[in-house]
Amino acid sequence: SAVISQKPSRDICQRGTSLTIQCQVDSQVTMMFWYRQQPGQSLTLIATANQGSEATYESGFVIDKFPISRPNLTFSTLTVSNMSPEDSSIYLCSVGTGKGTIYFGEGSWLTVV
Amino acid sequence: AQTVTQSQPEMSVQEAETVTLSCTYDTSESDYYLFWYKQPPSRQMILVIRQEAYKQQNATENRFSVNFQKAAKSFSLKISDSQLGDAAMYFCAYRGPQGGSEKLVFGKGTKLTVNP
Repeated sequence: SAVISQKPSRDICQRGTSLTIQCQVDSQVTMMFWYRQQPGQSLTLIATANQGSEATYESGFVIDKFPISRPNLTFSTLTVSNMSPEDSSIYLCSVGTGKGTIYFGEGSWLTVV
Repeated sequence: AQTVTQSQPEMSVQEAETVTLSCTYDTSESDYYLFWYKQPPSRQMILVIRQEAYKQQNATENRFSVNFQKAAKSFSLKISDSQLGDAAMYFCAYRGPQGGSEKLVFGKGTKLTVNP
């Protein structure tokens, strides 16, 4: 299994500001993933964070809005830039262990006011 | 592209009874993984059970079991002896074959209520 820590767990942000979410894993992993869960909705993949290369974004998500860093094999950050109320969501980090199973962090619950 | 469909937005069950949550999926792959995740009000995604497509035997984890029908592309979750703590959103998810991307495709979820 993998233990994943996310920070912050919850925050209230002002419109127009940016917030960086951190994800720390207790073991080295090749790929880390960032998902968004809007209120009452399912999870949607934002991007795949690869160590040593640029993140791969899914359709509808762009680097300028959601820049991602992956400085090493145990850590990644997701920044939500120039936030609007539509960005109010839970953001979740996940990793695979290479053995099939995917694990999630506790999530970061952002409210934009 | 792969899709996952959960046709039951909400389900309810009496404590100690059994409930089955439905999930269908679409893929052209022959090897893949399927998962059920539980999301309580805390919003943490908790892995309930996983199934490898190449395994014919249905996965079981204590009170949780699946009915995996590969030809029908169906993957239902059965919860036996339901407990109050089972109340949560349940998401069915698909990932591709080992060695490929570990990204998940999720269904829309089923909200399970457990009545005392």
